[in-house]
Amino acid sequence: EAGVVQSPRYKIIEKKQPVAFWCNPISGHNTLYWYRQNLGQGPELLIRYENEEAVDDSQLPKDRFSAERLKGVDSTLKIQPAELGDSAVYLCASSLNKVGRLANYEQYFGPGTRLTVT
Amino acid sequence: TQLLEQSPQFLSIQEGENLTVYCNSSSVFSSLQWYRQEPGEGPVLLVTVVTGGEVKKLKRLTFQFGDARKDSSLHITAAQPGDTGLYLCAGALPSSYKLIFGSGTRLLVRP
Repeated sequence: EAGVVQSPRYKIIEKKQPVAFWCNPISGHNTLYWYRQNLGQGPELLIRYENEEAVDDSQLPKDRFSAERLKGVDSTLKIQPAELGDSAVYLCASSLNKVGRLANYEQYFGPGTRLTVT
Repeated sequence: TQLLEQSPQFLSIQEGENLTVYCNSSSVFSSLQWYRQEPGEGPVLLVTVVTGGEVKKLKRLTFQFGDARKDSSLHITAAQPGDTGLYLCAGALPSSYKLIFGSGTRLLVRP
């Protein structure tokens, strides 16, 4: 079974430029997450999708970040314009969440996209 | 703000030694997960513990969930260089699908 696929793996851009990341979750997984991981830190949730609906985007900086998950499968995360502080690893994860099983929703992560803003 | 604190932040040991990593919070979690992350890769799930006091073993790794479901520990017996990596604990908030990650423990096992 293929894991979570992300692209690109690395991206270097100048500040004020736009950038987009793409994620293909594990087949059949209904829930998709985007995280940001700063150097030396654990991942921090940006947005969570249940199928095609964004159900938790409270940590997404909406002035410059946007995300979409058309058809409830692949997802893209966009930053426009990028700032120096956006340099981080952007991780996508997916899980199969079943109603009534709140205590067991294991997330599977992709390899991440390392973004460097210069 | 819920916070998961991991200790130690860094650990460098000789092959064959034992070690314990701790994950502590003032919040109660419905479950807690441990991940290992290698450079350039995403975190890989090692185990999920759900019940207070639960102990799970994965070969040389032993995971324990605190009785009050606020803390957890990871013990590695006879560490090997292949155990090197960043160990992350993540707590699941009750009635939520949200995971709160600790800042990680970076382990280096020297041959």
